[in-house]
Amino acid sequence: SQQGEEDPQALSIQEGENATMNCSYKTSINNLQWYRQNSGRGLVHLILIRSNEREKHSGRLRVTLDTSKKSSSLLITASRAADTASYFCATDLVGKLIFGQGTELSVKP
Amino acid sequence: DTGVSQDPRHKITKRGQNVTFRCDPISEHNRLYWYRQTLGQGPEFLTYFQNEAQLEKSRLLSDRFSAERPKGSFSTLEIQRTEQGDSAMYLCASSPRTSGSLETYEQYFGPGTRLTVT
Repeated sequence: SQQGEEDPQALSIQEGENATMNCSYKTSINNLQWYRQNSGRGLVHLILIRSNEREKHSGRLRVTLDTSKKSSSLLITASRAADTASYFCATDLVGKLIFGQGTELSVKP
Repeated sequence: DTGVSQDPRHKITKRGQNVTFRCDPISEHNRLYWYRQTLGQGPEFLTYFQNEAQLEKSRLLSDRFSAERPKGSFSTLEIQRTEQGDSAMYLCASSPRTSGSLETYEQYFGPGTRLTVT
């Protein structure tokens, strides 16, 4: 069973636009992580945000965390065709990660 | 730079046969995880090890599944009496040493073993 739910399930944008994906979860967590998966490179860790953090940046990625609402968002700015992939949020639950179902992002050149 | 490796990459087996997969984690990582992923879904947690100790096994995992990490390095996942519902991608991941808490840090995934049960 999945703890996280991503929204939207699929997102299609033009190159250069921003992409926002949301994640909601059910229980208290130590941290929340975002991963990207495409056929070429498998699952790759993008960013980790701790439960006592509200926002984190890494390059073109910006992640926010609202523990009161049990939700997180991932913003990819100035998207590129190479950002086309599935994006998963994963919550750290007592030493293991519970993944959501993912958002499928398509960036058209 | 050697990442996480898995062997085999693909396995086709007949229903009722046993299969075993191997995972070699990044050498200095003491945590190792197994996940299963089906099409259109996120990875589903199966089990994880800290060194050679198996710390947790998913309640969704039937007794046909067993995993070992005998020397705290590589791990094997065995599925006995395979069923068609076992067809999936089996992913292994490793993670660096934690401070002693149960918190998990970023995980590094292998390419997976795709199992097809006919």
